[in-house]
Amino acid sequence: NAGVTQTPKFQVLKTGQSMTLQCAQDMNHEYMSWYRQDPGMGLRLIHYSVGAGITDQGEVPNGYNVSRSTTEDFPLRLLSAAPSQTSVYFCASSYYGPGELFFGEGSRLTVL
Amino acid sequence: AQSVTQLGSHVSVSEGALVLLRCNYSSSVPPYLFWYVQYPNQGLQLLLKYTTGATLVKGINGFEAEFKKSETSFHLTKPSAHMSDAAEYFCAVSELASGGSYIPTFGRGTSLIVHP
Repeated sequence: NAGVTQTPKFQVLKTGQSMTLQCAQDMNHEYMSWYRQDPGMGLRLIHYSVGAGITDQGEVPNGYNVSRSTTEDFPLRLLSAAPSQTSVYFCASSYYGPGELFFGEGSRLTVL
Repeated sequence: AQSVTQLGSHVSVSEGALVLLRCNYSSSVPPYLFWYVQYPNQGLQLLLKYTTGATLVKGINGFEAEFKKSETSFHLTKPSAHMSDAAEYFCAVSELASGGSYIPTFGRGTSLIVHP
């Protein structure tokens, strides 16, 4: 049972480049989400999804796009990377409802 | 919108001493409450959670937390700290949002430092 798998673990981008962070879960969770973690800021919600075809914005959505074509996958896209997007990104999933979140191991992104 | 406040970005204790990490939340309805732990270069994992029922909740690694509705608090404790407890701890609250989804809100985290 792999749980939540994120790729890549590390990435360096130049300003203006685009990339996609991948997230996959094998627990048949309805709810999936992306957070960014910055020093002293805790975890801030970027986007979330409560099922295939349904996405919504979180606290800090600007500069990021998501889609949910399957229950298993929830990729996060940066269309034009900016230095302010340098952060550690976590994907998390749970059953629908106020359940425990299961986290991936994180993706460390540096934008130069 | 709900908010979660963790008092103290860093807490330092000696090995064997009591650990107390504070969490207060704002919510107009009884929330679902969680504590997560993050070890260096890892994702978060659940320590314990309160949903309904008994207000004193026991979790993994000897941690426990008590839900106090009157104080809107959910403080995390452990009677005796161990070196392996050094990590970042996050309090989180889930409340039913408009649209019918439960969206967790996290505190800013408290770094627990354990001295020999």
